[in-house]
Amino acid sequence: GQQLNQSPQSMFIQEGEDVSMNCTSSSIFNTWLWYKQDPGEGPVLLIALYKAGELTSNGRLTAQFGITRKDSFLNISASIPSDVGIYFCAGQGSSNTGKLIFGQGTTLQVKP
Amino acid sequence: SAVISQKPSRDICQRGTSLTIQCQVDSQVTMMFWYRQQPGQSLTLIATANQGSEATYESGFVIDKFPISRPNLTFSTLTVSNMSPEDSSIYLCSVTRVGLTYEQYFGPGTRLTVT
Repeated sequence: GQQLNQSPQSMFIQEGEDVSMNCTSSSIFNTWLWYKQDPGEGPVLLIALYKAGELTSNGRLTAQFGITRKDSFLNISASIPSDVGIYFCAGQGSSNTGKLIFGQGTTLQVKP
Repeated sequence: SAVISQKPSRDICQRGTSLTIQCQVDSQVTMMFWYRQQPGQSLTLIATANQGSEATYESGFVIDKFPISRPNLTFSTLTVSNMSPEDSSIYLCSVTRVGLTYEQYFGPGTRLTVT
């Protein structure tokens, strides 16, 4: 079945630094979504991408839908302590059933 | 985004018992899904909850173990039956809103511990 490979698995950075994480797949996806999950909470949708090549920002977050439709990245600029959490990419394939496949997650820790 | 609530928020259950988790949305939604998140892991789709008909289960999940109901457009339940410690996980419902089919919004989750 379709799988997403998300990297890095974890990051420990200094406050103020920029962060980049990405997801890749051997299959084509029609939609890419990026979520953040805080401890004890459900994932919160950060950015949704619908077209190959699309670059979308949400505050300090920027995400891109890869040209090949097999990858996506998320950048966080000027990280702050509240950016701490687990970031997940998720993709929808060509079946258009609404079902999402999730990456393994990137755990981000920010040192003040 | 839609406001999604889940009950209970957490529970500790004994092996062999069953627990029913409720998911309530404050507005009509098109699709509802149930996910499992095992400790330290990512999310895995259990099934799509279909209004007024049987849920559509993913490979590895069966109706006898995870019966699902969706009697209307804003409410669904997931039952975890005959529980074992391996069922200890966070169970999450998600929804898609009318007109935004490809964006899923998640409830806060139900943290289940089976002893």
